[in-house]
Amino acid sequence: GENVEQHPSTLSVQEGDSAVIKCTYSDSASNYFPWYKQELGKRPQLIIDIRSNVGEKKDQRIAVTLNKTAKHFSLHITETQPEDSAVYFCAVKGDSGAGSYQLTFGKGTKLSVIP
Amino acid sequence: DGGITQSPKYLFRKEGQNVTLSCEQNLNHDAMYWYRQDPGQGLRLIYYSQIVNDFQKGDIAEGYSVSREKKESFPLTVTSAQKNPTAFYLCASKISPAKRNTEAFFGQGTRLTVV
Repeated sequence: GENVEQHPSTLSVQEGDSAVIKCTYSDSASNYFPWYKQELGKRPQLIIDIRSNVGEKKDQRIAVTLNKTAKHFSLHITETQPEDSAVYFCAVKGDSGAGSYQLTFGKGTKLSVIP
Repeated sequence: DGGITQSPKYLFRKEGQNVTLSCEQNLNHDAMYWYRQDPGQGLRLIYYSQIVNDFQKGDIAEGYSVSREKKESFPLTVTSAQKNPTAFYLCASKISPAKRNTEAFFGQGTRLTVV
């Protein structure tokens, strides 16, 4: 099955700095890569996603880059704000078999933005 | 707020008892999922269902059971066979696995504690 590694597990940045979280995956047939944000005590919510035919996608201060050859993708948050503090999860969905029906999640990164 | 509701928010169970967690969605989604979230472990898939009267085991199905008698509902039973049931349980739904690369919407979660 799919194996997703997420790094780092914790990340502290000063307000205004950038944050980068990286995920690697094992199944080269995977074709969908969403990122979820989970604030303390709340449900995970999709913040951005990318499909395998695209190398980069931006949405205001958030961007995701995908390197299919190396099988890794990254979340970039610029000009971080205290409200960006949360746990971020990457996920991967395959393109065949059982993996095409489910998301496999990384273990999460706890981001703390220091005012 | 997302159209997917889990109840109760907090649940306490005595050892040896079965307990059922509720998940209801009014989004007309075909696919529904149950995840377990433990600190530092990310989200792990317990069961998923693509359509009414059909469901499949995920990565950690042992000690759990589900049913999908209605499109809107996907209850999860934590049985006495589950060795370590204390965790945060998240239900999710998405339009359809056939429309593969679409957002999964999460419920607000149920925190189960065995006492």
